[in-house]
Amino acid sequence: GQNIDQPTEMTATEGAIVQINCTYQTSGFNGLFWYQQHAGEAPTFLSYNVLDGLEEKGRFSSFLSRSKGYSYLLLKELQMKDSASYLCAVRDRGDSWGKLQFGAGTQVVVTP
Amino acid sequence: GAVVSQHPSWVICKSGTSVKIECRSLDFQATTMFWYRQFPKQSLMLMATSNEGSKATYEQGVEKDKFLINHASLTLSTLTVTSAHPEDSSFYICSARGPGTPVLENIQYFGAGTRLSVL
Repeated sequence: GQNIDQPTEMTATEGAIVQINCTYQTSGFNGLFWYQQHAGEAPTFLSYNVLDGLEEKGRFSSFLSRSKGYSYLLLKELQMKDSASYLCAVRDRGDSWGKLQFGAGTQVVVTP
Repeated sequence: GAVVSQHPSWVICKSGTSVKIECRSLDFQATTMFWYRQFPKQSLMLMATSNEGSKATYEQGVEKDKFLINHASLTLSTLTVTSAHPEDSSFYICSARGPGTPVLENIQYFGAGTRLSVL
């Protein structure tokens, strides 16, 4: 199985940058995912990394280092609507169905 | 994009009744769907993996007789909470593996969730 750790909460001001770290331990890595979840709503897909390096998508970027078992999600030019929980999830190579193991989530609070 | 519809979004029921939740992939075929449960301020806990045409695979600790899953077609999976009790009150979310390329198939697309309150 996987052991996924991410900070519980982070606070930042509008317009700033926030980096959410995620560390994981897995017997066979096959991809890391970031999802955004607003309170009371379902998660929405943000990014997917399977190879080392940085993936950029507009204001959001995600980085992966497989050798370190480490990823981060970078949120730039923060907006109030970015206040949400950000979930790091890992897929294990040994699973043929594509199951994801989710971290506990990082609650990002954006202040004016 | 891949859209997953979940219905109902909110249900209140009496203790002892059964509740059925539907999960549909609207614009793609999903051979594999997943059912999660989420308590307030906690992360998603996978309950079971639902595969079209075969029995669901349940995670350890999840009662298969209490949470009945049926994946009868490539676009529909249902979760039935049988003889619901107050401790079953939770947010239930389904997801479907995306269509298309091997990369896109790794992505799970989520339904809007069902908030179940058992009185």
